[in-house]
Amino acid sequence: NAGVTQTPKFRVLKTGQSMTLLCAQDMNHEYMYWYRQDPGMGLRLIHYSVGEGTTAKGEVPDGYNVSRLKKQNFLLGLESAAPSQTSVYFCASYGYGYTFGSGTRLTVV
Amino acid sequence: KNQVEQSPQSLIILEGKNCTLQCNYTVSPFSNLRWYKQDTGRGPVSLTIMTFSENTKSNGRYTATLDADTKQSSLHITASQLSDSASYICVVTGTGNTPLVFGKGTRLSVIA
Repeated sequence: NAGVTQTPKFRVLKTGQSMTLLCAQDMNHEYMYWYRQDPGMGLRLIHYSVGEGTTAKGEVPDGYNVSRLKKQNFLLGLESAAPSQTSVYFCASYGYGYTFGSGTRLTVV
Repeated sequence: KNQVEQSPQSLIILEGKNCTLQCNYTVSPFSNLRWYKQDTGRGPVSLTIMTFSENTKSNGRYTATLDADTKQSSLHITASQLSDSASYICVVTGTGNTPLVFGKGTRLSVIA
């Protein structure tokens, strides 16, 4: 039982490049979330999904897009990366409690 | 505005000692409060969850308290171990579709 798996774990992008972060959960959870964690700040919600085929904006959605084509996967896309998007990204799913992935450390240079 | 404030920002204690971390929140209406432990380079892991009717909850050497009237919570760690070194995050959930509100965390370092 892997829980929540995020890939990749690390990535360095050049400004303007695009990439997709993958979150996969094997707990059959309906709710999934993408957060970013920056130094000196609490986790901030980027986008979330309440079920397959649905997505909604969180607190800091600008510059990101998401898709939930399959219940077990929640993808976070950066179309044109900016240095301000350098952060650690966490995916979480919610069943009886929240389960977080181990994070993706993204650096945009 | 819904906020969660934690104190202290960081704390260094000797192995074997006890410590208490504080969390004050303004989230309303309130549903539940969670304490998470986040090891460096890892995602947060749940320690406790309390609803408004619960005053205290324990998980091994971790004991959380909640005063819903004053909107304060504390996390007490007993007989600290080196492996307790981590960030401890207080997270509050409101009712309905209110998203989680995260505190900035307290960075605890336990030294030998």
